[in-house]
Amino acid sequence: NAGVTQTPKFQVLKTGQSMTLQCAQDMNHNSMYWYRQDPGMGLRLIYYSASEGTTDKGEVPNGYNVSRLNKREFSLRLESAAPSQTSVYFCASLPGARPGLAGGETQYFGPGTRLLVL
Amino acid sequence: QKEVEQDPGPLSVPEGAIVSLNCTYSNSAFQYFMWYRQYSRKGPELLMYTYSSGNKEDGRFTAQVDKSSKYISLFIRDSQPSDSATYLCAMSRDQGAQKLVFGQGTRLTINP
Repeated sequence: NAGVTQTPKFQVLKTGQSMTLQCAQDMNHNSMYWYRQDPGMGLRLIYYSASEGTTDKGEVPNGYNVSRLNKREFSLRLESAAPSQTSVYFCASLPGARPGLAGGETQYFGPGTRLLVL
Repeated sequence: QKEVEQDPGPLSVPEGAIVSLNCTYSNSAFQYFMWYRQYSRKGPELLMYTYSSGNKEDGRFTAQVDKSSKYISLFIRDSQPSDSATYLCAMSRDQGAQKLVFGQGTRLTINP
């Protein structure tokens, strides 16, 4: 049981290049999330998918697109990278089948992808 | 103004000290309050959660929520070097953890 995995771990892009960040979870979770983490800003939600086949914008969606490929995988695409997108990107998943924190239900995070846009 | 405010630190204390980490928030609709711990170059992991006001204790950790003041705290007793990490508070309006709003995170170092 690998939990939440993300690829790549680290990437350098030039301004204007495109790339896709991959995320997969093997916990049969319904909901998946993409966050970015910048110094002094905490975690900010980019997009999320409450269930397979649905996606919604979060706090900072501009410049990004997502695809919920199946229940396991949720990818984040940068069509034309900008230096402002230099950040650490985290994917997370949540069981979501029976809402409630009583059982300690929480979002489980991957190890992150460090992206540098020059 | 951010919905959740957290002093980013850094905070440095000697081993064995009691550590107090705090967050304030502006939205009275928040009902669920969480603390995540994030080690360097790792993803956050849930440390504590509480519902509404009150205290919750787990070993050396105590989470406290004061909804009347819109203020939450995490206390670490007998702090250890292994507690050195960034601590993020997070809050949710709904019953599950579907939409979390995070604080900026406080970087904590425990010196041996």
